[in-house]
Amino acid sequence: NAGVTQTPKFRVLKTGQSMTLLCAQDMNHEYMYWYRQDPGMGLRLIHYSVGEGTTAKGEVPDGYNVSRLKKQNFLLGLESAAPSQTSVYFCASADTRTRYFGPGTRLTVL
Amino acid sequence: GENVEQHPSTLSVQEGDSAVIKCTYSDSASNYFPWYKQELGKGPQLIIDIRSNVGEKKDQRIAVTLNKTAKHFSLHITETQPEDSAVYFCAATPAGGTSYGKLTFGQGTILTVHP
Repeated sequence: NAGVTQTPKFRVLKTGQSMTLLCAQDMNHEYMYWYRQDPGMGLRLIHYSVGEGTTAKGEVPDGYNVSRLKKQNFLLGLESAAPSQTSVYFCASADTRTRYFGPGTRLTVL
Repeated sequence: GENVEQHPSTLSVQEGDSAVIKCTYSDSASNYFPWYKQELGKGPQLIIDIRSNVGEKKDQRIAVTLNKTAKHFSLHITETQPEDSAVYFCAATPAGGTSYGKLTFGQGTILTVHP
């Protein structure tokens, strides 16, 4: 039981490049989330999903897209990376009681 | 929307002392308040939570108190140990939310416990 895993752990992009972050969970959770963490700002919700095939916007969705084609996977895409997207990205999944976070992806956009 | 303020941003204590972190929230209808601990290089991990129908909850050295009238809740750690050093986040669920719905997080508190 690996819990929540994220790929990759680190990435450096140039402005304008695109990339996809992968989140996988093996706990059969319906709910999944993408957060970004910036110094002094806590965690802010980017997008979330309440089940396979569904996605919804969080509080900071601009510049990101997501997909939930399979229940266990939640993908976060950056179509044209900007320096303002330099951050640590956390994926999480939840049952009815607890939210479980992945180890994070540190993304730097130059 | 919900706004959560967390204080202090940094807290330094001696091993064995108590540590208290406070959070205030803006939405009086919020009903679920978890606390997360984030160790260096890892994702946040739930350590304790409380619902709006309860005033206090304890789990060994950790306790959380909730004052609905004043709209604030606090994390209390007693007999601190060096392994308690981490970043702590409070959070609140907006009105009508559940424990698996949206959460609004505080800004985080860096706790350092000196041996």
